[in-house]
Amino acid sequence: GAVVSQHPSWVICKSGTSVKIECRSLDFQATTMFWYRQFPKQSLMLMATSNEGSKATYEQGVEKDKFLINHASLTLSTLTVTSAHPEDSSFYICSARQAQGNNEQFFGPGTRLTVL
Amino acid sequence: GENVEQHPSTLSVQEGDSAVIKCTYSDSASNYFPWYKQELGKRPQLIIDIRSNVGEKKDQRIAVTLNKTAKHFSLHITETQPEDSAVYFCAASTNAGKSTFGDGTTLTVKP
Repeated sequence: GAVVSQHPSWVICKSGTSVKIECRSLDFQATTMFWYRQFPKQSLMLMATSNEGSKATYEQGVEKDKFLINHASLTLSTLTVTSAHPEDSSFYICSARQAQGNNEQFFGPGTRLTVL
Repeated sequence: GENVEQHPSTLSVQEGDSAVIKCTYSDSASNYFPWYKQELGKRPQLIIDIRSNVGEKKDQRIAVTLNKTAKHFSLHITETQPEDSAVYFCAASTNAGKSTFGDGTTLTVKP
């Protein structure tokens, strides 16, 4: 149990376009999902906390207008990178916490974004 | 906010030896401390975790110790194998579930 999927697994886009990444909890309800960004050989950096039915909470330094997060249901959160630039190229990973669970987070497989 | 420091950044051991990775945290409200193993291009994989009401936990070759007073916790891997080679991250989390990760340790186990 506790499986989290992400789609797409990789995407290549042109500079200036927008990219949407989906994160789904397949067999449990997730009231909270987290979005991380990981640059090569670096740690996971939390971008924002996504709560079902409410606005996301962004970490300091993360532009909310550039990284749009929507958590419309208990099993789906989306991250849209708007007007992507080459410096946005990174590995984006989501995680989900069970509604009735402990603090354990279940990670998605990640999305490799390359902006040309 | 929470600050997690992890050492060492790289660790090389001979197969069969033990490996120890240490982390410190700053927020006394943190009460959940997971350890993750991440292979290149893949998601972090939870290998062991410990909660603040426990001082030590063991699962076969892997053990974690927690010192709440000193705000540090450690990962111990015994009888290391080449397949243990990966990047290991510690993390500290509060009841809100938000986790702060350490910078990672690249473990290399030489056959």
